Amino acid sequence: ETGVTQSPTHLIKTRGQQVTLRCSSQSGHNTVSWYQQALGQGPQFIFQYYREEENGRGNFPPRFSGLQFPNYSSELNVNALELDDSALYLCASSLEGSYTFGSGTRLTVV
Amino acid sequence: QKEVEQNSGPLSVPEGAIASLNCTYSDRVSQSFFWYRQYSGKSPELIMSIYSNGDKEDGRFTAQLNKASQYVSLLIRDSQPSDSATYLCAVTYYGQNFVFGPGTRLSVLP
Repeated sequence: ETGVTQSPTHLIKTRGQQVTLRCSSQSGHNTVSWYQQALGQGPQFIFQYYREEENGRGNFPPRFSGLQFPNYSSELNVNALELDDSALYLCASSLEGSYTFGSGTRLTVV
Repeated sequence: QKEVEQNSGPLSVPEGAIASLNCTYSDRVSQSFFWYRQYSGKSPELIMSIYSNGDKEDGRFTAQLNKASQYVSLLIRDSQPSDSATYLCAVTYYGQNFVFGPGTRLSVLP
């Protein structure tokens, strides 16, 4: 049991729609990172939040946005979905360099 | 641009043999190094972390780090069919985001 919970586990959306993915961090972890893992590839860094502020971003367009809440839970929002957004989305919470991954959300865009 | 490279495999070894997985990284200031195991459709799970040059052993797993050569490896002794998975190498610098390699698919044949 990882202590990091992601919801939903699976999701199917239509191209052009918007989606919100959620992550509940492990207790006490004040940093959350989001990764996109396409089939057959390693996870790619989307962005990271520390105490509700974005403090790092990977090479993803602005239609990928996020929030971190005072209880350190987090959301990933993706607007104007494209077929290539189909992937496993992973949330990782951390405290002082110790990372824990959630079980992921499998997003399929049709 | 930080890059992490791995042979994509598949790497096939017979049960009981030693599996050797390799990873090179481009950024000399990388500080922390991790090996994750990922079963199909699941999230990555941490196997080993290593921070200093040399070897680190944990059960059947040994991580080896050579910062001068920018090289990190994972040895799995007495490989079991349950070790069949994709192994992801990840590097990070002072708590910044992980940079993952593409992963090496390992198949342990009974």
